[in-house]
Amino acid sequence: DAGVTQSPTHLIKTRGQQVTLRCSPKSGHDTVSWYQQALGQGPQFIFQYYEEEERQRGNFPDRFSGHQYPNYSSELNVNALLLGDSALYLCASSFQGPSQDSSVGWGETQYFGPGTRLLVL
Amino acid sequence: LAKTTQPISMDSYEGQEVNITCSHNNIATNDYITWYQQFPSQGPRFIIQGYKTKVTNEVASLFIPADRKSSTLSLPRVSLSDTAVYYCLVGEGNFNKFYFGSGTKLNVKP
Repeated sequence: DAGVTQSPTHLIKTRGQQVTLRCSPKSGHDTVSWYQQALGQGPQFIFQYYEEEERQRGNFPDRFSGHQYPNYSSELNVNALLLGDSALYLCASSFQGPSQDSSVGWGETQYFGPGTRLLVL
Repeated sequence: LAKTTQPISMDSYEGQEVNITCSHNNIATNDYITWYQQFPSQGPRFIIQGYKTKVTNEVASLFIPADRKSSTLSLPRVSLSDTAVYYCLVGEGNFNKFYFGSGTKLNVKP
């Protein structure tokens, strides 16, 4: 059973360029979340995709966008790269199940991939 | 927004039991508590998750008091390979977007 996979493992870009990072969720998972982790810091939530739609977003500018495909895989796109975008980008997957209108929360265990190290020069 | 507070760092020796406490005073009724371990340049690894009382698995125990305003991760008999950063997270209901703090850097000495 494959876990969460991400590609590429490392990437070097220059300021102003655009980058696309890819994530395949753990088998059976339907929800993908993206995080940015700067050196020495904890991961910061970027956004989460479920049923091919962005349903939650952290405090990141519109330069950060994403997509989820019918097979639940996901992409993170970053436009107009800045030096400060250099970080480890993490993808995490979890299982939500069919959409439901419920006010009762439940633990949504997220499993993380190995990350993509992005360096912006 | 349920934020968490953890010690920045802890030192221990091989074979000792380590307890890392996390404060989450604003935890909501629907929130779960989850702990992750992270090694440098790797993705966080799920350790344990709980809602109340005590949860135990093959690697750790999680103690949650009745008021749920704090939780304690217990690692029995740590080894050098347990040197890592440990994060306590509190989930936000159905649509979980986890907020990681700075974590606790555990340093296990021989």
